[in-house]
Amino acid sequence: SQTIHQWPATLVQPVGSPLSLECTVEGTSNPNLYWYRQAAGRGLQLLFYSVGIGQISSEVPQNLSASRPQDRQFILSSKKLLLSDSGFYLCAWSSNRWDSPLHFGNGTRLTVT
Amino acid sequence: GENVEQHPSTLSVQEGDSAVIKCTYSDSASNYFPWYKQELGKRPQLIIDIRSNVGEKKDQRIAVTLNKTAKHFSLHITETQPEDSAVYFCAASIGGADGLTFGKGTHLIIQP
Repeated sequence: SQTIHQWPATLVQPVGSPLSLECTVEGTSNPNLYWYRQAAGRGLQLLFYSVGIGQISSEVPQNLSASRPQDRQFILSSKKLLLSDSGFYLCAWSSNRWDSPLHFGNGTRLTVT
Repeated sequence: GENVEQHPSTLSVQEGDSAVIKCTYSDSASNYFPWYKQELGKRPQLIIDIRSNVGEKKDQRIAVTLNKTAKHFSLHITETQPEDSAVYFCAASIGGADGLTFGKGTHLIIQP
């Protein structure tokens, strides 16, 4: 069966520091991969998605970037964090089927101080 | 692009009563409609989904209905229990790689 791992679970970082969140998927090949952000008490905002190695699409202009160095690895990064980057970050995967649901990782709660 | 509206934002029901959450979508090409449940501090988890060629689907106490003409779909939870308390998200997709468009969520509160 497929599993998705995301780490770290929680992170407290000062403003201006770098960020690296990692996500890996097991048990499937060539998944579509996604990064979502959820502000406290709010909905799910799509940040990036990827359909293959090195292919990244950005949904919103922001202080973050994403990379996909391997088929089942997705990384979210920032060079300098802002206070507004605080939130709950969720990695997700889906298959290439038109009716494939998203499967979410456990999330990373990021607090920028 | 697709836009999904979800109502109500908060719903409080007595334990044992039914709860209904409604969503509308804008893109008539949307053909896949999942629902997610998110407990506090946890990840959203798929609870039920429906495809455009089906009008209704049931799974024990949960059911989803779809009206393609009106472009709306609804989640029905019967005999609500305390563990049903959570935030519920509807979503819609046209099957593209950019995934799902989510509603803003409904906070369901089950009163004992």
